[in-house]
Amino acid sequence: GDSVTQMEGPVTLSEEACLTINCTYTATGYPSLFWYVQYPGEGLQLLLKATKADDKGSNKGFEATYRKETTSFHLEKGSVQVSDSAVYFCALKLSFGAGTTVTVRA
Amino acid sequence: EAGVAQSPRYKIIEKRQSVAFWCNPISGHATLYWYQQILGQGPKLLIQFQNNGVVDDSQLPKDRFSAERLKGVDSTLKIQPAKLEDSAVYLCASSLSGGSGQETQYFGPGTRLLVL
Repeated sequence: GDSVTQMEGPVTLSEEACLTINCTYTATGYPSLFWYVQYPGEGLQLLLKATKADDKGSNKGFEATYRKETTSFHLEKGSVQVSDSAVYFCALKLSFGAGTTVTVRA
Repeated sequence: EAGVAQSPRYKIIEKRQSVAFWCNPISGHATLYWYQQILGQGPKLLIQFQNNGVVDDSQLPKDRFSAERLKGVDSTLKIQPAKLEDSAVYLCASSLSGGSGQETQYFGPGTRLLVL
């Protein structure tokens, strides 16, 4: 069935460092792919999404490209800030990855 | 626009007791989801409603869990009797229409359940 496999954490990095969180998927057809984020003390919210192959989703400096050749949807940000500290979830339809906890130090 | 509302936010019960959670989705959203999120894991779908009909309840432990959405708006999830392994955060989410999994879901703050 449809599923995602997400890079495990936790990930700790310094401000202005580059962040990549890997996500690969198994799916029938080309469903939409999502990244959700959960900031401390808050609920899950959509960070970005892509609806078809080769689409790039972007928001708040984060990007992810829907790559069917490698069945991947990796999340990237070139320069992280302390405010990016959160748990990030890759999702395909109603299936979520285990989440990656990211901590950014000042 | 008001978000997804859930109550209570926290609940502590003893095993074998019953508990109920309430969710009010975003106004106009046809599809409502209940997820269970165990610590350190991603959300797992328990049940999906479209309006007042069940679309998918294949992962709902029906011997102890039940859910309803009688008027196609708010919903209640019940556990009776609770087990220790039910300790988790119960998330409610809603989406505008089809519920095929292709739409953005909007999540409530969750109910944190601890079973002692």
